[in-house]
Amino acid sequence: DAKTTQPTSMDCAEGRAANLPCNHSTISGNEYVYWYRQIHSQGPQYIIHGLKNNETNEMASLIITEDRKSSTLILPHATLRDTAVYYCIVSTTGNQFYFGTGTSLTVIP
Amino acid sequence: GAVVSQHPSWVICKSGTSVKIECRSLDFQATTMFWYRQFPKQSLMLMATSNEGSKATYEQGVEKDKFLINHASLTLSTLTVTSAHPEDSSFYICSAKEQGWETQYFGPGTRLLVL
Repeated sequence: DAKTTQPTSMDCAEGRAANLPCNHSTISGNEYVYWYRQIHSQGPQYIIHGLKNNETNEMASLIITEDRKSSTLILPHATLRDTAVYYCIVSTTGNQFYFGTGTSLTVIP
Repeated sequence: GAVVSQHPSWVICKSGTSVKIECRSLDFQATTMFWYRQFPKQSLMLMATSNEGSKATYEQGVEKDKFLINHASLTLSTLTVTSAHPEDSSFYICSAKEQGWETQYFGPGTRLLVL
């Protein structure tokens, strides 16, 4: 079963930062936080992952709280192409992914 | 890098026939592959995990005799839906990872329609 909870949907204005929250209060010490997104009728696309520290790459930033019970994915300048379902997953490396319902992000022009 | 392909991208078949879906890692050795199923407006559901050279491990409720998984090489896994029925119509997605990697990469998916 999925160990994460996310809001069902969010809107974001184009050009603004999109902040997507995720709760994972039962996360274990060796579990990573992964973020993927799925654009309609495609396979999920990897965005970013982290264990304890905040992470940043060319796509997004991941902020993990100190107690690791929640995290936020930040898309710094949302574009229309960022409209997708965003999934937050916790898992150990090499282990199975159990997807929750995700957050449907709509970027509005 | 880390590209995963699937073939075919979509398939239509008659009820009672078998359908084989291929999942390939194009630029890495996939020591572990995963198969998922996604129904319309739902999330991905893990079906099974396969390690190269070993029998697949199926999730609870997934019939291993109906969904045959073969992972005979480090770049190829196949999912065969045997005696397909209309309720098997779905979007089938694979993912793959190399030993030592922290994450897995997904294929583009295969849409199956059983008439």
